[in-house]
Amino acid sequence: SQTIHQWPATLVQPVGSPLSLECTVEGTSNPNLYWYRQAAGRGLQLLFYSVGIGQISSEVPQNLSASRPQDRQFILSSKKLLLSDSGFYLCAWSVFEGRGDYEQYFGPGTRLTVT
Amino acid sequence: KQEVTQIPAALSVPEGENLVLNCSFTDSAIYNLQWFRQDPGKGLTSLLLIQSSQREQTSGRLNASLDKSSGRSTLYIAASQPGDSATYLCAVQSGGSYIPTFGRGTSLIVHP
Repeated sequence: SQTIHQWPATLVQPVGSPLSLECTVEGTSNPNLYWYRQAAGRGLQLLFYSVGIGQISSEVPQNLSASRPQDRQFILSSKKLLLSDSGFYLCAWSVFEGRGDYEQYFGPGTRLTVT
Repeated sequence: KQEVTQIPAALSVPEGENLVLNCSFTDSAIYNLQWFRQDPGKGLTSLLLIQSSQREQTSGRLNASLDKSSGRSTLYIAASQPGDSATYLCAVQSGGSYIPTFGRGTSLIVHP
């Protein structure tokens, strides 16, 4: 069965520090991978998605970046965190189901607080 | 551009009630609609996925229906329990897109 891991689960970082969040998927091959952010009182915001190794699409311009060094690994990074980067970060994956659609599955999330 | 709306934004009901959560979308050319549950501080858990050719899906006390022509889906929860308290989100996948469009969710509280 498929499993998705995210770490760390929680993180408190000062403004201006770097960031690296990691997501790995087990039990599937060539998944589409996604990074979302949920800020307090706001909906789910898509940050990046990837349909293959080295293929990253950005949905929202910001000081974050994403990389996909391996098929089932997705990393979210920042060189210098801002207060506004605080939020709940969710990784998700999907695969083509053969009937023409994609079903999404989410990881447990990382709570980031920038102080 | 697809837009997804969920009404109500919040709902509080006594235990045992049958309830309906609503999801509407603006573009009826969809591949599927997916309902999720999110507990506080947790990730999203997929509850039901309805393909565009289907009218409804059932899982236990949950029943989701889809009316593409009117751009609506409902999630019916029978005999609600305090453990059903969570935020429920719907997401629509439009044709040819890897990216679903999410609603902002309905926050449900079921009190004993």
